[in-house]
Amino acid sequence: DSGVTQTPKHLITATGQRVTLRCSPRSGDLSVYWYQQSLDQGLQFLIQYYNGEERAKGNILERFSAQQFPDLHSELNLSSLELGDSALYFCASSVASVNTEAFFGQGTRLTVV
Amino acid sequence: AQSVTQLGSHVSVSEGALVLLRCNYSSSVPPYLFWYVQYPNQGLQLLLKYTTGATLVKGINGFEAEFKKSETSFHLTKPSAHMSDAAEYFCAVRRIQGAQKLVFGQGTRLTINP
Repeated sequence: DSGVTQTPKHLITATGQRVTLRCSPRSGDLSVYWYQQSLDQGLQFLIQYYNGEERAKGNILERFSAQQFPDLHSELNLSSLELGDSALYFCASSVASVNTEAFFGQGTRLTVV
Repeated sequence: AQSVTQLGSHVSVSEGALVLLRCNYSSSVPPYLFWYVQYPNQGLQLLLKYTTGATLVKGINGFEAEFKKSETSFHLTKPSAHMSDAAEYFCAVRRIQGAQKLVFGQGTRLTINP
């Protein structure tokens, strides 16, 4: 158990809908990262938050947004869903010191039908 | 920009044989290097990391990796494969300073034959 909790584990929704994925980081970790894992793109970095502020952005679509709340949990919002958004979405957290690693949650498997 | 190339999307070895998973990286400055393992329907678990110091790093489950700057490589090895090692393995790099996002390779699926 990495200490990073993601909910829900599975999500099935229709095209055009909007979903919210939730992540609770490890106790004490200030930094949260979101990654997308798909068969064609592999593991891609989406976005990083540090103590409530956006720190870095990857190839995140405009239809996607995220935030980190004062209690440090984070939510990834995906809207106007398309079939191609079906993927495994991972959250990771770290202390965000120079040489520390990120710990990953078990992911949310999103299926868009 | 950083990138990672894992040679071989599938590797198959016999139980008890040497495991060698190859990883080469491209980075304008020496990065931090990681190997993660993903078991079916699981998240990513850190096997080992190289940040500074000794270039041969030991990880969990008997795995080790050697950072070779001249070859820009960070290959993962295990002397004797076990059935429980069957999983997908990802090599990743991260900048020492600045953005702390991980850049992953495409992954290598390791199959262990009895």
